[in-house]
Amino acid sequence: QQQVKQSPQSLIVQKGGIPIINCAYENTAFDYFPWYQQFPGKGPALLIAIRPDVSEKKEGRFTISFNKSAKQFSLHIMDSQPGDSATYFCAANLGDSNYQLIWGAGTKLIIKP
Amino acid sequence: NAGVMQNPRHLVRRRGQEARLRCSPMKGHSHVYWYRQLPEEGLKFMVYLQKENIIDESGMPKERFSAEFPKEGPSILRIQQVVRGDSAAYFCASSPTAGEDTQYFGPGTRLTVL
Repeated sequence: QQQVKQSPQSLIVQKGGIPIINCAYENTAFDYFPWYQQFPGKGPALLIAIRPDVSEKKEGRFTISFNKSAKQFSLHIMDSQPGDSATYFCAANLGDSNYQLIWGAGTKLIIKP
Repeated sequence: NAGVMQNPRHLVRRRGQEARLRCSPMKGHSHVYWYRQLPEEGLKFMVYLQKENIIDESGMPKERFSAEFPKEGPSILRIQQVVRGDSAAYFCASSPTAGEDTQYFGPGTRLTVL
C-alpha cells in the first residue's frame, strides 16, 4: 500500500512531441505528489508537485494531471526538447505528517532531435 | 546560496572496509534525509535526522549502517564492513522544517565495492 507504480520504464519521443509518464498509488492518505528530474550523474531535482485538491497544475512546459478517484497522476511535457532527456521520478508522501518520499521506479526519457 | 553538498562524489572500497559519506545541508536547513538508489531503480528512504537526533531510521539496514548529524559539521552516513551489495548511489536531501514538503537533493555519492 506504500508503493507508487510508474510507467513506462522508458520512453522515446521525437522533438516537439508530448511524452506522458504515468503513476498510480494505493494509499489514499498520500497528499503530496512531486515529480523529480534526474540527469546522469546528478541528484534528483524537484520539477513540479501537486496536491489532491486540484486536478491539474502547469509550470512552463510541464503539466501534472491528477485523478483522485482513480488514484493516478501523470506528467506531460509540452513541446519536448532534447534537453528534457533525463530520468523522471514520481513520488508521494503524507505531507506534513510524513517526511518519507515513496518513489516510483523512474522513467528514462529520450527526446530525439 | 550553495545547495546540498556531498562528498566524496565517488568512493571505491574493498569488501570489509568502511565507507564514510558526508552531507552538508543547504544553509538554514536542519533536517537531513538519506536515500539509496540502486541502478535502474527509484530512491529508497534510509534515515531522517535533525541536529544531534535520529528521528527515523526505519529504512536503514539493522547492521553495519549508522548515521549521525552532529551539532557542528556535516551529516555522516557510515557503512562498516562493506559488501558488494552496498554498491549504489547514496543521496542526501535537506529541508528547512519537518513540515516542508520539498526536499533538496545533493549530487550523490557513488559507492563501488570491489
